[in-house]
Amino acid sequence: KQEVTQIPAALSVPEGENLVLNCSFTDSAIYNLQWFRQDPGKGLTSLLLIQSSQREQTSGRLNASLDKSSGRSTLYIAASQPGDSATYLCAVVKAAGNKLTFGGGTRVLVKP
Amino acid sequence: GAGVSQSPSNKVTEKGKDVELRCDPISGHTALYWYRQSLGQGLEFLIYFQGNSAPDKSGLPSDRFSAERTGGSVSTLTIQRTQQEDSAVYLCASSPAGTGINEQYFGPGTRLTVT
Repeated sequence: KQEVTQIPAALSVPEGENLVLNCSFTDSAIYNLQWFRQDPGKGLTSLLLIQSSQREQTSGRLNASLDKSSGRSTLYIAASQPGDSATYLCAVVKAAGNKLTFGGGTRVLVKP
Repeated sequence: GAGVSQSPSNKVTEKGKDVELRCDPISGHTALYWYRQSLGQGLEFLIYFQGNSAPDKSGLPSDRFSAERTGGSVSTLTIQRTQQEDSAVYLCASSPAGTGINEQYFGPGTRLTVT
């Protein structure tokens, strides 16, 4: 059974610092990995999707890496801003399936 | 274009009553998913529809839960005889096709409170 873990559960950084969010998964047979952002009381906003054949994806200040063999992905957010405060979730789609299996999320607070 | 929409945004119901939650996927998306987000369990998969294929119901927690998708578009999640542990945010997502490659786009969710 696929298990997805995100550590730490919460993170607080001063504005301007780079954020490093970790995601690990137990079954390396995945189709893709997706990073989401969730603001309080809101739905999920997709940030980046990495296919299993890719090593990384970039969008603006966001960069996500994927190491399938070790079951890890890292989301980097450069030069953090208070508006980056949210919960960040990673999720994987395993091979021969379509459903997302989510990690527990990392709650991020960027202090002005 | 329009994203995934869900209604109602909030629903308060008494224990034992039935509820229906609605999801309108992005136009043209053939795959539709329901997930549940609760404090104790995090985000968990409930059910998945792909075109005219039989749905994957493997995530439904009990036979009180059912879902249908009419005309390959709108979906309704029904919870019968609601219990307090059903209180959660129910999220719907859609994607362009049913392969594992495509990105899933989520709606804002329906917050269900069972009193």
